[in-house]
Amino acid sequence: DAKTTQPPSMDCAEGRAANLPCNHSTISGNEYVYWYRQIHSQGPQYIIHGLKNNETNEMASLIITEDRKSSTLILPHATLRDTAVYYCIVRAGRGSQGNLIFGKGTKLSVKP
Amino acid sequence: EPEVTQTPSHQVTQMGQEVILRCVPISNHLYFYWYRQILGQKVEFLVSFYNNEISEKSEIFDDQFSVERPDGSNFTLKIRSTKLEDSAMYFCASRNGPGNEQFFGPGTRLTVL
Repeated sequence: DAKTTQPPSMDCAEGRAANLPCNHSTISGNEYVYWYRQIHSQGPQYIIHGLKNNETNEMASLIITEDRKSSTLILPHATLRDTAVYYCIVRAGRGSQGNLIFGKGTKLSVKP
Repeated sequence: EPEVTQTPSHQVTQMGQEVILRCVPISNHLYFYWYRQILGQKVEFLVSFYNNEISEKSEIFDDQFSVERPDGSNFTLKIRSTKLEDSAMYFCASRNGPGNEQFFGPGTRLTVL
């Protein structure tokens, strides 16, 4: 699976959009970009994933660059409950065993 | 909304003792996983399980560890002889097919004294 690079920490004001970047310059054609988050010591929570098109769900939007070498997770209106560590993970989709390799992620602090 | 459950939430044991951590994956899921997270460190993959057998395991998953799906609902992780360094949060996860996202349980905090 391709390696990802994320900033160690970010701050965001409550109510504003949080934009979390991720670099994955060695991503291959069959690899998806997945985002998870971990609030305090809870189990990681799936947020969103994509292959090459931008994706949106009720939690967030995922913007993937045309060359697929980087992506941005957008939380449109961050709340205090969005304070968490956010993980960008690249892995193959169909045909893979699916085990996730977590990095250190980005610690997002949403401030009032 | 269906969810992965884990019991117990906290287990304290003496070094050298056997522990069994229990998980109930989401009912129609076919792929099962165990991860662990030592305090302050990354979430680490331990093992994946599909079709009643281990499909992949990490270097951490040595002979002291085993997994089992004893019936149609439970998925267990056994540590045969616990060491101090086994103290960690253990997370179970499941998914229902290849390429789909994994759903994690709340974790079991294992403390080895």
